[in-house]
Amino acid sequence: EDQVTQSPEALRLQEGESSSLNCSYTVSGLRGLFWYRQDPGKGPEFLFTLYSAGEEKEKERLKATLTKKESFLHITAPKPEDSATYLCASSNEGFKTIFGAGTRLFVKA
Amino acid sequence: DVKVTQSSRYLVKRTGEKVFLECVQDMDHENMFWYRQDPGLGLRLIYFSYDVKMKEKGDIPEGYSVSREKKERFSLILESASTNQTSMYLCASSTLTGPGSYEQYFGPGTRLTVT
Repeated sequence: EDQVTQSPEALRLQEGESSSLNCSYTVSGLRGLFWYRQDPGKGPEFLFTLYSAGEEKEKERLKATLTKKESFLHITAPKPEDSATYLCASSNEGFKTIFGAGTRLFVKA
Repeated sequence: DVKVTQSSRYLVKRTGEKVFLECVQDMDHENMFWYRQDPGLGLRLIYFSYDVKMKEKGDIPEGYSVSREKKERFSLILESASTNQTSMYLCASSTLTGPGSYEQYFGPGTRLTVT
């Protein structure tokens, strides 16, 4: 059964303290691995798509990487405005997208 | 930019009422989705549609139905609202082919409370 697992559930960082969020996946026929950001009371906002192992994408302080079993979202020198829930998702050979439960990130000034 | 809009941000309904949630996207996307999001349970797929008048059940379709009469519009219907359907409802759309396929773009959500 296809599955996406994120860790940790919550992460508290000081401003400037770099860290990584983990997404483990088991998907038959991966079509894409996605990262989203969700602010409280709002819909998720698309960040990145990764298609194959070894691929990396960057946006400001965020960098997403992909291996055959995991994806990481690296946050470099985070700021309080990076506080949000980060969701990982995968799409398989069909139309189905499976979301992880998310990592809640808190960045303190 | 892709825009997905939902008819209401907040909605309060009584048990047994028929509830309509509407979603419109402006990017000519083939796929549209309805999710509900609850604390500790994450995003759960209710229904999705990959074409006009086509629909597929997701993981939790019981108590819900959907309608897609036009490509840009996807409606979620709660036939007889119950308190356990109190939740945040999220609509999303995506394209099937080409760059950016399968990336989902979400609306702002509808916070539904059933009393």
